[in-house]
Formats: sequence, C-alpha cells, structure tokens
Amino acid sequence: DTGVSQDPRHKITKRGQNVTFRCDPISEHNRLYWYRQTLGQGPEFLTYFQNEAQLEKSRLLSDRFSAERPKGSFSTLEIQRTEQGDSAMYLCASSQPGTGYNEQFFGPGTRLTVL
Amino acid sequence: SQQGEEDPQALSIQEGENATMNCSYKTSINNLQWYRQNSGRGLVHLILIRSNEREKHSGRLRVTLDTSKKSSSLLITASRAADTASYFCATVGANNLFFGTGTRLTVIP
Repeated sequence: DTGVSQDPRHKITKRGQNVTFRCDPISEHNRLYWYRQTLGQGPEFLTYFQNEAQLEKSRLLSDRFSAERPKGSFSTLEIQRTEQGDSAMYLCASSQPGTGYNEQFFGPGTRLTVL
Repeated sequence: SQQGEEDPQALSIQEGENATMNCSYKTSINNLQWYRQNSGRGLVHLILIRSNEREKHSGRLRVTLDTSKKSSSLLITASRAADTASYFCATVGANNLFFGTGTRLTVIP
C-alpha cells in the first residue's frame, strides 16, 4: 500500500505526559501537512513541511507542540505536557507538485485521548 | 479559523435518493475541493473545481461553484448506504486547506 500511514492509530495518555506521533507520506510527495480535528469539526491546519523544511506553523501550534521531518521523508509530531484540550484526531497529509499541491492525500489519523 | 461553512449540518435520506449539500466561504479562491470522511477515518479527496469553472461532474458527483455568491454545492445522485459519511468543502490557503464544519450524511438502506 502506497498511501499515507500514521502510527499509532490510537493513543491514550495521562495529562502531563509527552506523546509522539509518526506520519509516513506517499514516497514521491515532498509536502507534508499536519492537521488537528476535534469532534464535530473540520480539520484545522497545524503546520507543513516542504522536504525537510518546516515552512509554516499555525497559531494553533503552541510551544508544547513540535514537528520534525529530519530527512524529508517521515515526520513526527510531539506534544509535551499534554492537556485535556489536546484530545483530538491528528491527521497527516501529503501532496506533490504535479497537481500544484492542490490535492492532499490524508492518512487515517491518530486519535489522542488525554485523561 | 475555518473558512467554509456547510449546510445542512446533518442530512438523512433513503437509499436511491439524491443528496445535496452546500458550502459557503468567505474570501476569493483559486479552487474549492470536496472531501469525504468516513467515521473515525482520514479524508478522501472527491473533486476539485477551479474558480473559472461553474460545474463539474465525477461519476455520481456533481459540484457547482458560484464565485459571486461565494458558494458551492455537492450533489450525490442515486445515493447508496456506502455514501454515509461526513462531507467537507475546503478552500486553498497559501499552503494549506481551510475546511468547513462538514455535513454528516446518513443514507438509510
């Protein structure tokens, strides 16, 4: 399967703990995006990478959040000192220049529950 | 902030009927996209319509765009139970997508 994959699919953690999620984009896609989706809402943009460079961060991405894409392939999203308000689905997407980056391919998401 | 707003928030129809959902947005766009999300899963791209297009078809999907009213509609014809999902419109920002709140469609077999 050559789609976007995310790991883990579900994560339950206690408030104050750190969590890290991984995203593997489609191999030829050089752009990678992170979104957050809360219940009943549409996804909200967090950040994106072009190759290994993080080019934009949303104001939603507080200091407790950090994302990396060290070799321009997979990416990690870390949340430090989790809070109950961090409970959400974290979606990763990738895109390629061939479509003008217009179409984004999404992974299945990581559902985070902070107790 | 999210740019698109879908209407209705929820829609329930019988299998075989058509489903229409609407999207309004706030600023000028180059294109508008529709995505589908099955419960608890990622989003799947359905169709893209450019600002210079008024209507586009893809299988049982028909999308219209009215840039003067800043609105778009998605029509699913001859609905199937498998069409049950949430549908989102998305407008393109500088480097990311702005999603609406979605329409939850339930197709009753």
